[in-house]
Amino acid sequence: AQKVTQAQTEISVVEKEDVTLDCVYETRDTTYYLFWYKQPPSGELVFLIRRNSFDEQNEISGRYSWNFQKSTSSFNFTITASQVVDSAVYFCALSPSNDYKLSFGAGTTVTVRA
Amino acid sequence: DTGVSQNPRHKITKRGQNVTFRCDPISEHNRLYWYRQTLGQGPEFLTYFQNEAQLEKSRLLSDRFSAERPKGSFSTLEIQRTEQGDSAMYLCASSLEGGHSYEQYFGPGTRLTVT
Repeated sequence: AQKVTQAQTEISVVEKEDVTLDCVYETRDTTYYLFWYKQPPSGELVFLIRRNSFDEQNEISGRYSWNFQKSTSSFNFTITASQVVDSAVYFCALSPSNDYKLSFGAGTTVTVRA
Repeated sequence: DTGVSQNPRHKITKRGQNVTFRCDPISEHNRLYWYRQTLGQGPEFLTYFQNEAQLEKSRLLSDRFSAERPKGSFSTLEIQRTEQGDSAMYLCASSLEGGHSYEQYFGPGTRLTVT
């Protein structure tokens, strides 16, 4: 069974603050993929990143960065210098390597205030 | 590449009625997925197709639900004898198996309200 836990339900920050979203996962698979998706108020899920279980390098993309720690089964996401446009629900998801259905966490609602 | 489209965007129906939703995936994508998202939750997997073959169905998909992808292109999801508990956002996604990336691209969803 696979499970993704996003313990933070809502986070509210002031513009330009950094915000870190936690994601903890459970899986029995030795290989797997982790994802982050963004769901803005318009509702459409937007892919942000995919990471496979063999690649523990952290990744930075603009103001976004991801910290994957296999030892603690965590895949955390940081938005640096947040902007109002970052306001959305963010989902962490998990997929086995050989089966591509996604198991999502419950999501974290991020509100960035001007 | 026009993205994944879903129709209708919103559907209001009375309990007991049947409804059908349509999903048009990205044209070259051979995999198509259906998910259901209820308020305050993440999407939950319902079923997926590789070309026209339905490869897996979740236990969430009761016998009132049926999905098809007759020619390996668009897909339909039908709910018979709708119940209030079926009220949710129904999301479709597509991906290219064996492609450079395994990302699933999501459509805007169909919001179903059962009254």
